[in-house]
Amino acid sequence: GEDVEQSLFLSVREGDSSVINCTYTDSSSTYLYWYKQEPGAGLQLLTYIFSNMDMKQDQRLTVLLNKKDKHLSLRIADTQTGDSAIYFCAEKDYGQNFVFGPGTRLSVLP
Amino acid sequence: DAGVIQSPRHEVTEMGQEVTLRCKPISGHDYLFWYRQTMMRGLELLIYFNNNVPIDDSGMPEDRFSAKMPNASFSTLKIQPSEPRDSAVYFCASSDLAGVETQYFGPGTRLLVL
Repeated sequence: GEDVEQSLFLSVREGDSSVINCTYTDSSSTYLYWYKQEPGAGLQLLTYIFSNMDMKQDQRLTVLLNKKDKHLSLRIADTQTGDSAIYFCAEKDYGQNFVFGPGTRLSVLP
Repeated sequence: DAGVIQSPRHEVTEMGQEVTLRCKPISGHDYLFWYRQTMMRGLELLIYFNNNVPIDDSGMPEDRFSAKMPNASFSTLKIQPSEPRDSAVYFCASSDLAGVETQYFGPGTRLLVL
């Protein structure tokens, strides 16, 4: 079946850029998403990209999609302590089958 | 809209007891999903509904778990009897087919079975 993989941990210093990577296996993905989960809270949609795009920028967030390699990344510019959270990559095919990665725990060091 | 609403937010129960988790999706959303999140297994899809009809329940762990959606604004996930290994955070999410077709998550119910 479909699979989404992410590295589990990432530490960066405040003010640096963070890059969180994700790989997926489903070539029929239509949308790819990044969700953020803060402690004790549900998943919150951060941004998304349609599968026919290769880049999307939204303020401090940049999403890059390499469809050939099935690789998605999320870059957070000027990372702040408030960005500390778990970030989930997810993909969806033409149905309602969402597949989530295991999440990357981002720690921002002062 | 208030977003997806779940209750209770926290539940502590003893092994063998029945547990009922509740969810109110975003008004107008056709799809409702139940997930379970644990440290060991991450986020697992348990079941999802479309227009109140269960579509895929292949993620439901075993017969002790059941889910219903009697109407478009309410769903329940029931565990009977509960076991310590059911301890997890249970999320409800809803979506529609408009726009980016994403899922909107509730705050979750943190369940502890002693």
